Amino acid sequence: SQQGEEDPQALSIQEGENATMNCSYKTSINNLQWYRQNSGRGLVHLILIRSNEREKHSGRLRVTLDTSKKSSSLLITASRAADTASYFCATPPSGGYQKVTFGIGTKLQVIP
Amino acid sequence: GAVVSQHPSRVICKSGTSVKIECRSLDFQATTMFWYRQFPKQSLMLMATSNEGSKATYEQGVEKDKFLINHASLTLSTLTVTSAHPEDSSFYICSARRPGHTSHGYTFGSGTRLTVV
Repeated sequence: SQQGEEDPQALSIQEGENATMNCSYKTSINNLQWYRQNSGRGLVHLILIRSNEREKHSGRLRVTLDTSKKSSSLLITASRAADTASYFCATPPSGGYQKVTFGIGTKLQVIP
Repeated sequence: GAVVSQHPSRVICKSGTSVKIECRSLDFQATTMFWYRQFPKQSLMLMATSNEGSKATYEQGVEKDKFLINHASLTLSTLTVTSAHPEDSSFYICSARRPGHTSHGYTFGSGTRLTVV
């Protein structure tokens, strides 16, 4: 199985600022996924970027993928207090129903 | 969108008793579901892959006899923590993916907070 490693582990910003989180992985992937987890809750899928894509947008989210560096970044623009959560990247192995493993995540705190 | 319902959300049980957690896919059939465990301030640890109609596949270090998984239908997987002890207290989460939706991520249940006293 593969495991993404998020960086930084903790991030505290003011409301309105942008938040950038990074993810590195070890082997080839078909896609990379980002998830959000509010405290004590399940994970919510945010965005999926395929290995042949370099950038993807969804609302205030922007994800980049650099397969040569085996890294991805998640940018949240104009952050809100409601964005406070832990963010995880996941890199499922190629093909089929494969188990998804997660890194330790980035804990984001947005201060009102 | 795909919805996964997990029940109960919280459970407190006495040491030595068993607890069953249910994971249902509400609007799709899931031949495969995944069970995770999460300790405070840590990531999700994959425990096992639940396969409909066959035995679950457990990750290394996870006790099969302690964490019983049953996936008897295409919409329901259950995790039973048998003879629970305080060290089993944790947050348990299930996930599944809608078949054919390779452009989508996995859908997670809302989790079950288990406290063994």
